[in-house]
Amino acid sequence: AQSVTQLDSHVSVSEGTPVLLRCNYSSSYSPSLFWYVQHPNKGLQLLLKYTSAATLVKGINGFEAEFKKSETSFHLTKPSAHMSDAAEYFCVVSEGLYNNNDMRFGAGTRLTVKP
Amino acid sequence: EAGVAQSPRYKIIEKRQSVAFWCNPISGHATLYWYQQILGQGPKLLIQFQNNGVVDDSQLPKDRFSAERLKGVDSTLKIQPAKLEDSAVYLCASSSLRVVAGTYNEQFFGPGTRLTVL
Repeated sequence: AQSVTQLDSHVSVSEGTPVLLRCNYSSSYSPSLFWYVQHPNKGLQLLLKYTSAATLVKGINGFEAEFKKSETSFHLTKPSAHMSDAAEYFCVVSEGLYNNNDMRFGAGTRLTVKP
Repeated sequence: EAGVAQSPRYKIIEKRQSVAFWCNPISGHATLYWYQQILGQGPKLLIQFQNNGVVDDSQLPKDRFSAERLKGVDSTLKIQPAKLEDSAVYLCASSSLRVVAGTYNEQFFGPGTRLTVL
């Protein structure tokens, strides 16, 4: 079965500096991969998704992620952090052969942005 | 468009009591999901409906959890009786009907119901 490991439970950056949230996945098939963001008291929101097209995926709010099959990674990056980026981020994998909604969430990475 | 609605937002009960959560998906979305998110963990799928039928309930603890979506629109998740380990946020999500195998229909999530079992 598919699974994801988010390598950092908490990341702290200063406003204006780059963001890197790390995610490794395990899948028996060609996976679909996603990043979701969860702000306090709000629903999960899709940031970006990889579904076997271009390996560099651009999402909302300046985030992007690169699918690296050889490293089984799907790290999330942003060149310059903003205070509003402070939230919980989840990496998600779906094997998607017959049920593309069979998603497995990572444990999450809490991003703190310091002024 | 209106998003996924859930109620109540917060609920505190004592163990062995019963509780029910309600979800109203985005209009026209045929697929509805219930997730359990325990503190410090990612959401875990409990049950998936397509219209009023169950697609996947393999991770639903059926001895105490039940869910229904009688008219294929809104849904209710019930816990009876509750245990301490049921303390979590219960998330509802919906998506449009999958038409083509291998394509992704985005799931839209509600704000969740935070359950505390004392």
